[in-house]
Amino acid sequence: AAGVIQSPRHLIKEKRETATLKCYPIPRHDTVYWYQQGPGQDPQFLISFYEKMQSDKGSIPDRFSAQQFSDYHSELNMSSLELGDSALYFCASSSGTSGRGACEQYFGPGTRLTVT
Amino acid sequence: AQTVTQSQPEMSVQEAETVTLSCTYDTSESDYYLFWYKQPPSRQMILVIRQEAYKQQNATENRFSVNFQKAAKSFSLKISDSQLGDAAMYFCALCTPNFGNEKLTFGTGTRLTIIP
Repeated sequence: AAGVIQSPRHLIKEKRETATLKCYPIPRHDTVYWYQQGPGQDPQFLISFYEKMQSDKGSIPDRFSAQQFSDYHSELNMSSLELGDSALYFCASSSGTSGRGACEQYFGPGTRLTVT
Repeated sequence: AQTVTQSQPEMSVQEAETVTLSCTYDTSESDYYLFWYKQPPSRQMILVIRQEAYKQQNATENRFSVNFQKAAKSFSLKISDSQLGDAAMYFCALCTPNFGNEKLTFGTGTRLTIIP
């Protein structure tokens, strides 16, 4: 079965640079979520999109922005990178407007971002 | 606000034995879903088992089962016949359906070690 695809898998950037992470959800999934997992921490919700509209926002820095495109893929743009942005960034997708379908999220393999 | 608490940072079990991981949660909603995710050393987030709050019957997936105590807001994971491949970080997660705003709230995780 098709899974969530994330690219790149690994990314090394210097401070103050910009990074773009891409996510391709499972086919026919209409909702995308972004999570950030720091070393030794649990995943923290950043932002989500339902049918190409932003649906919810967590503790996402103003330096970060995201969008979902017409083909449902999503991109997380990160500017003015800081050392503290080094983390594993997950994209997850789900299907359904509400209920278990919307809550049951399938995760991609993550993008490991290292800021030096 | 909803919270998830995992009070066991680390657990270990002998191969082929049974182990139970604890999770408690708090939410003011009556409709919600609970999940256990497994994160092996590869750091992929893998959905292990799900439970709908409106269902009294405990969910079971092969060697994995849950003990859902709604009144006590407890959701423990039992792994039977533990195998070396079960070694991972396990996260308990809570989701409340909200029409596109279904973010997962995670506990801090329990690291499970399997002793050969």
